[in-house]
Amino acid sequence: GAVVSQHPSWVICKSGTSVKIECRSLDFQATTMFWYRQFPKQSLMLMATSNEGSKATYEQGVEKDKFLINHASLTLSTLTVTSAHPEDSSFYICSARGLQETYEQYFGPGTRLTVT
Amino acid sequence: AQSVTQPDIHITVSEGASLELRCNYSYGATPYLFWYVQSPGQGLQLLLKYFSGDTLVQGIKGFEAEFKRSQSSFNLRKPSVHWSDAAEYFCAVGSYNNNDMRFGAGTRLTVKP
Repeated sequence: GAVVSQHPSWVICKSGTSVKIECRSLDFQATTMFWYRQFPKQSLMLMATSNEGSKATYEQGVEKDKFLINHASLTLSTLTVTSAHPEDSSFYICSARGLQETYEQYFGPGTRLTVT
Repeated sequence: AQSVTQPDIHITVSEGASLELRCNYSYGATPYLFWYVQSPGQGLQLLLKYFSGDTLVQGIKGFEAEFKRSQSSFNLRKPSVHWSDAAEYFCAVGSYNNNDMRFGAGTRLTVKP
């Protein structure tokens, strides 16, 4: 149980275009989803927290207009990187917390974004 | 604010040797502590977690960790390392409702044959 998927697993896009990453909880309902960014050989940095049906809460320094997060249902959250630039290239990981959970997050496999 | 320190960026051990990865945390209240493992290009897999109770926690793949409040530590141990344990290990601290989980910088484990 508690499986989280991400799609796509990797994506290459051209500079200036937008790309959408999906995060799905497959076997549970996720009231809260989290988006992290990981640079090579570095740790995970929390970008934003989203609750189903409400606006995401962004961490300080994260551009909300650049990284659009939508959590429209209890099983799906999306991260859209708008007008992507090479510096947005990174590994993006989502996690989800279920209705009954107050402590634990379940992590997706990550999405590798490369902007050329 | 809570924070996590993993003092060792990279550790190399021989296969079959014991392993200890260090983790120190800073948190004002009772912490919820986690160890995750990440293989290259992969997501995170939970090894073990501590919320309360017995301070020695058993996890998957033969790992264990001990919570020491007096030392603000949550070190990960394994008595005999396998080549497949080579990966990046992250310690994390969270709080009730875990909206603020913080990760350490990670320790990369290399296993020598």
